[in-house]
Amino acid sequence: DAGVTQSPTHLIKTRGQQVTLRCSPKSGHDTVSWYQQALGQGPQFIFQYYEEEERQRGNFPDRFSGHQFPNYSSELNVNALLLGDSALYLCASSLTGLSSGANVLTFGAGSRLTVL
Amino acid sequence: SQQGEEDPQALSIQEGENATMNCSYKTSINNLQWYRQNSGRGLVHLILIRSNEREKHSGRLRVTLDTSKKSSSLLITASRAADTASYFCATVFGSARQLTFGSGTQLTVLP
Repeated sequence: DAGVTQSPTHLIKTRGQQVTLRCSPKSGHDTVSWYQQALGQGPQFIFQYYEEEERQRGNFPDRFSGHQFPNYSSELNVNALLLGDSALYLCASSLTGLSSGANVLTFGAGSRLTVL
Repeated sequence: SQQGEEDPQALSIQEGENATMNCSYKTSINNLQWYRQNSGRGLVHLILIRSNEREKHSGRLRVTLDTSKKSSSLLITASRAADTASYFCATVFGSARQLTFGSGTQLTVLP
């Protein structure tokens, strides 16, 4: 049973460029959340997708956008990259439902973005 | 901003000793979870405690929750070198569906 897979694992961009990160959720999960983790910090919530719609959003500018596809996979897009966007981007999947365990997240290994 | 704050920021112990990490949070929660992260990789869920629970065990892990003090602790007993990692608490509160993570405790277990 495959867990959460993310691609690419590492990438380097220059300021002003755009980047797309991809995520395939764990089999059976229908909800995808994206987090940004700066070095030495805890993950910061970017947004969450469910039923192909953005359900909740953290305190991130509109340069950060996303998409969820019918097969539940997801993309994170960041436009007009800034040096401060350098971070580990984590995708996490979960199953939305009536169970109180619905908030338990399964994380991918992350995509490390370096902006020069 | 972080909802939870872990204490200490870093902890170094010898193999076989117990490790205790604390987490404080600001608002009433639905549940609190602990995650582990090895060296900049993805996080792994360890344990979840609900707001109406006071203590929970899973293997060598023991979690307590004190909602009156808005705090939780994670105890790892008989630590091993393989327990070396960063540990994060994460909370779910109100109608929010996302987890809000603390800043983490870096645990180093020396062989």
